[in-house]
Amino acid sequence: AQTVTQSQPEMSVQEAETVTLSCTYDTSENNYYLFWYKQPPSRQMILVIRQEAYKQQNATENRFSVNFQKAAKSFSLKISDSQLGDTAMYFCAFMKLGAGNMLTFGGGTRLMVKP
Amino acid sequence: DVKVTQSSRYLVKRTGEKVFLECVQDMDHENMFWYRQDPGLGLRLIYFSYDVKMKEKGDIPEGYSVSREKKERFSLILESASTNQTSMYLCASSLPGQGMDYGYTFGSGTRLTVV
Repeated sequence: AQTVTQSQPEMSVQEAETVTLSCTYDTSENNYYLFWYKQPPSRQMILVIRQEAYKQQNATENRFSVNFQKAAKSFSLKISDSQLGDTAMYFCAFMKLGAGNMLTFGGGTRLMVKP
Repeated sequence: DVKVTQSSRYLVKRTGEKVFLECVQDMDHENMFWYRQDPGLGLRLIYFSYDVKMKEKGDIPEGYSVSREKKERFSLILESASTNQTSMYLCASSLPGQGMDYGYTFGSGTRLTVV
């Protein structure tokens, strides 16, 4: 079974600054996907970024980028130029390829962006 | 705009009641999922379904059952609600291969309180 750990229950950052959210996972699989989801107060889960394990290049989506370290089983999310709208819960998730393509989530990090 | 709709945003039920949580998607997705979200624990998979009338247990199926009679509808059933089932319940759906590329589409959640 896979496990996903987010060691930072809460974080805060000043507007326009950069923040990094940590995520580690444990798996014996070699092929898998990793995701970061954002859940704002509206509760709607939004996909932020994804990474295929077979790709060495780190994924980037505008102000969001990841640092994927496969050997270390680490998948951190960096948010640059933080904006007030980035205030949300952030969940790291692991997807093993196979029946159902189920997601396994970490415990979440609550991020507060301060003006 | 594609949607996953959960019938209730907030629900209060009494201990011992039979509770139905409904989820409908309009995207013709084969895969549907029910997650439970609790602080510090993230999202945990209760059940998923990869086709009509098909269901598979997730990580925490005890006390729950599901029904999928039509492709677009996936119901979560609490046979006899208990206070430890007070939680946020999230429904999600995906196409079998698309989940890897685009993640899941989530509903907005049902916050269930059992008193």
